[in-house]
Amino acid sequence: KQEVTQIPAALSVPEGENLVLNCSFTDSAIYNLQWFRQDPGKGLTSLLLIQSSQREQTSGRLNASLDKSSGRSTLYIAASQPGDSATYLCAVRKETSGSRLTFGEGTQLTVNP
Amino acid sequence: EPEVTQTPSHQVTQMGQEVILRCVPISNHLYFYWYRQILGQKVEFLVSFYNNEISEKSEIFDDQFSVERPDGSNFTLKIRSTKLEDSAMYFCASRQPPYGYTFGSGTRLTVV
Repeated sequence: KQEVTQIPAALSVPEGENLVLNCSFTDSAIYNLQWFRQDPGKGLTSLLLIQSSQREQTSGRLNASLDKSSGRSTLYIAASQPGDSATYLCAVRKETSGSRLTFGEGTQLTVNP
Repeated sequence: EPEVTQTPSHQVTQMGQEVILRCVPISNHLYFYWYRQILGQKVEFLVSFYNNEISEKSEIFDDQFSVERPDGSNFTLKIRSTKLEDSAMYFCASRQPPYGYTFGSGTRLTVV
């Protein structure tokens, strides 16, 4: 059974800092991995999708990397801003039949002005 | 940018009552999903729906749950007899390969 773990559970940084969020998964047979942002009491906003054949994806100040064989992904946020404060979730989709996502518990990020 | 729309945003219901949560997926998407998130816990998969039938369901999705696509635009989740432990945020999502998921903003269900 796929397990997804995110470290750290919470992170507080001053504005302007570069930071890295970590995601690990136990079964490396994944189809893709998706990073989401969740604001308190709100829905999930997709940030980046990495296919299993890709090593990284970039969108603006965000860069996500994937090392499928070691079961790891990182989300790099450059020059953090208070508006980046949210919970960041990673989710993996398995390689075999079905398209369900398995989520981690998230990293709660606070960027202080 | 196209959105997945969920209604209502918040629903309170009495234990034992039936509830229907509604979703309008993105119009050209073919795969539809329901997930839930109990307060403080992980987002959990409930069911996926493709070509007018359930393609996959989790162990959570028992006989109390059902899904339907009654017309070309709506996708509903029915809970037949709600329990206290059904209280959660329910998310609808849709997907069009090769792209990833798009989630709605959720319905917060409170069972009292």
